[in-house]
Amino acid sequence: SSELTQDPAVSVALGQTVKITCQGVTLRSYSASWYQQKPGQAPTLVIYGHNNRPSGIPDRFSGSNSGNTASLTISGAQAEDEADYYCCSRDKAGNHGYVFGSGTKVTVL
Amino acid sequence: VQLQESGPGLLKPSETLSLTCTVSDDSMTNYYWSWIRQPPGKGLEWIGYIYYTGSTNYNPSLNSRVTIFIDTSKNQFFLNVTSVTAADAALYYCARHTSSGFDTWGQGTLVAVSS
Repeated sequence: SSELTQDPAVSVALGQTVKITCQGVTLRSYSASWYQQKPGQAPTLVIYGHNNRPSGIPDRFSGSNSGNTASLTISGAQAEDEADYYCCSRDKAGNHGYVFGSGTKVTVL
Repeated sequence: VQLQESGPGLLKPSETLSLTCTVSDDSMTNYYWSWIRQPPGKGLEWIGYIYYTGSTNYNPSLNSRVTIFIDTSKNQFFLNVTSVTAADAALYYCARHTSSGFDTWGQGTLVAVSS
């Protein structure tokens, strides 16, 4: 199956902006969705279709895509944004399955 | 909509894992329903999905051992994984997904494998 690669960890100062990236060949053809997971909780969808937010997700979360890279940006990071973030997209073309990225731990300083 | 996983928490190697996901407060019609797992301290792995019509798609790495089936009359779908090993120990989630992504998740059920 295809792979989606993420940096293992990033840190951001409170109120500053952080960008998390996800690289994979299939991102040239399919959009990414992004999930936030806090300790002991199930993941929550925060971005889908490149840059759409489900109801209830703050507008400081945004997404973008360029070539084989999808990005999640948190503008004005808050303490409650400290979590693991996973990208997800379709597996290789024609398979119609899904693959998750390796995850990025975001620490808010 | 709410999702709740259930099933045995402990299995022996070579046994079959069987989990149930019960869907509350909404119909299963017109949606895809997935199983996703997360080994302790590790990332998420998509296992497979079933459409409400019964069509399925599985992760190729698990394909030969996985079966997902559905009973829309009971608002439930199910996961079977045969011949489990320690590598199958994980937190297993069920989730609904649409064109928007996996928009609703259960709380997860922990499965351990030990002799």
